[in-house]
Amino acid sequence: EAQVTQNPRYLITVTGKKLTVTCSQNMNHEYMSWYRQDPGLGLRQIYYSMNVEVTDKGDVPEGYKVSRKEKRNFPLILESPSPNQTSLYFCASSPLLRTGGVYNEQFFGPGTRLTVL
Amino acid sequence: GNSVTQMEGPVTLSEEAFLTINCTYTATGYPSLFWYVQYPGEGLQLLLKATKADDKGSNKGFEATYRKETTSFHLEKGSVQVSDSAVYFCALSDRKDDKIIFGKGTRLHILP
Repeated sequence: EAQVTQNPRYLITVTGKKLTVTCSQNMNHEYMSWYRQDPGLGLRQIYYSMNVEVTDKGDVPEGYKVSRKEKRNFPLILESPSPNQTSLYFCASSPLLRTGGVYNEQFFGPGTRLTVL
Repeated sequence: GNSVTQMEGPVTLSEEAFLTINCTYTATGYPSLFWYVQYPGEGLQLLLKATKADDKGSNKGFEATYRKETTSFHLEKGSVQVSDSAVYFCALSDRKDDKIIFGKGTRLHILP
C-alpha cells in the first residue's frame, strides 16, 4: 500500500530534550516536506527536500533540522524543543514532474501530535 | 511572495445546502492550485486540483475553477452531506518557487 508513515504519532516531552520524528514514504517520491498545523494559523511549511541531500527552509524553519540521506526517509529533528513547538506535525511527499516543477498532489502522513512541557 | 487567503470558518450548514468556500491567491509565476480535505484525526488528502487558468477540478461532487482574472479558486458543492464535515485547505504551488503555500483552513460543520 502506498503510504507515508510517521513515528511516533503522539509524543510528550520536556523542554530541551532532543527528539526526532521519523517520516518514511514507499512511493519513490523525490519531494518531501514537513509542516506544522496550529489553530488559526493553518498549515505552515518547516523544511522541504527536492531529493537526496537537497534540503531547504520553508516558512518556519527556526528550531528544526532535517536530513535526507535516503530517498524514502526525511526525519525532523528538534535539538532543543521549546513549548512553542507544541503542535501537530505532518510529513508529506510528492513526485516531481520532469517538465519543470509543477507539482502533483502531496501525500500526507497521519500526523504527529507533539507536546513540549 | 506567494500567498493564499481563504474564508474563515467555521462554516455551519444544513444537509443538502449549497456550499461555497472562497479562496484567492497571489503568485508571481504560474501556480497550480489545490483543495485538500482533512477529516477529524487524519492527515490531509487531495480533494481536487487545477494546473492552469480556466481548468475545473472536480471530485466527490465538489468543484473549483481556476480563475486567473480574479485570482480565485473557490470550492463549491451543490448539496452537502454530514460526511462532508471536515477542514478544507486551499493550496498553491508555483514552478518559480519550490515552497508550497496553504491557506489557514476552513472548518465545515454539516448539520443533519
